[in-house]
Amino acid sequence: DQQVKQNSPSLSVQEGRISILNCDYTNSMFDYFLWYKKYPAEGPTFLISISSIKDKNEDGRFTVFLNKSAKHLSLHIVPSQPGDSAVYFCAALYNQGGKLIFGQGTELSVKP
Amino acid sequence: DVKVTQSSRYLVKRTGEKVFLECVQDMDHENMFWYRQDPGLGLRLIYFSYDVKMKEKGDIPEGYSVSREKKERFSLILESASTNQTSMYLCASRRHRLGVQFFGPGTRLTVL
Repeated sequence: DQQVKQNSPSLSVQEGRISILNCDYTNSMFDYFLWYKKYPAEGPTFLISISSIKDKNEDGRFTVFLNKSAKHLSLHIVPSQPGDSAVYFCAALYNQGGKLIFGQGTELSVKP
Repeated sequence: DVKVTQSSRYLVKRTGEKVFLECVQDMDHENMFWYRQDPGLGLRLIYFSYDVKMKEKGDIPEGYSVSREKKERFSLILESASTNQTSMYLCASRRHRLGVQFFGPGTRLTVL
């Protein structure tokens, strides 16, 4: 029972263009959503988060959008850079339980 | 600066061996976690601990146990390693239930 789903295993984008990574969830009780970025042979690093009471959060080139009615969130990277090439994980947090539920990950490749 | 370290980056063990994976954080964090990462499955939670001497099962605890005798150290134990436990193991910590999780670099375990 996958509560957090990233349906695209990979995405390829040209440098300078927009990258859009998508994530769907099934449980309306999630309070926070987070994006992590992972390079090969390294642990994931936190990128950006959004509370369930907001619909947008922006940090530099990274923006996360939350559509609660559709149970969908997306990460936009503008402009994309080759250094952004990594695996991106979407995660959702139960406020009470404190556990993070991760999606399967999307591998982003930004080509020069 | 936040630091989570794991005792080994790469480990090769034989079926039936007892395996210890160590994780240490220097941030005085309350919560610690063990995940495994497998292609197409994302990060799955094995065990977690909200405080010293406390432990809770995650989503896939079978075949694993943990120990947290000191606040900064969280150990994952494979009682009798099997080939299906070949994976990337990631340790994480966070200050409290709503905090961001910080990950270690991971241990790539191969069980032959």
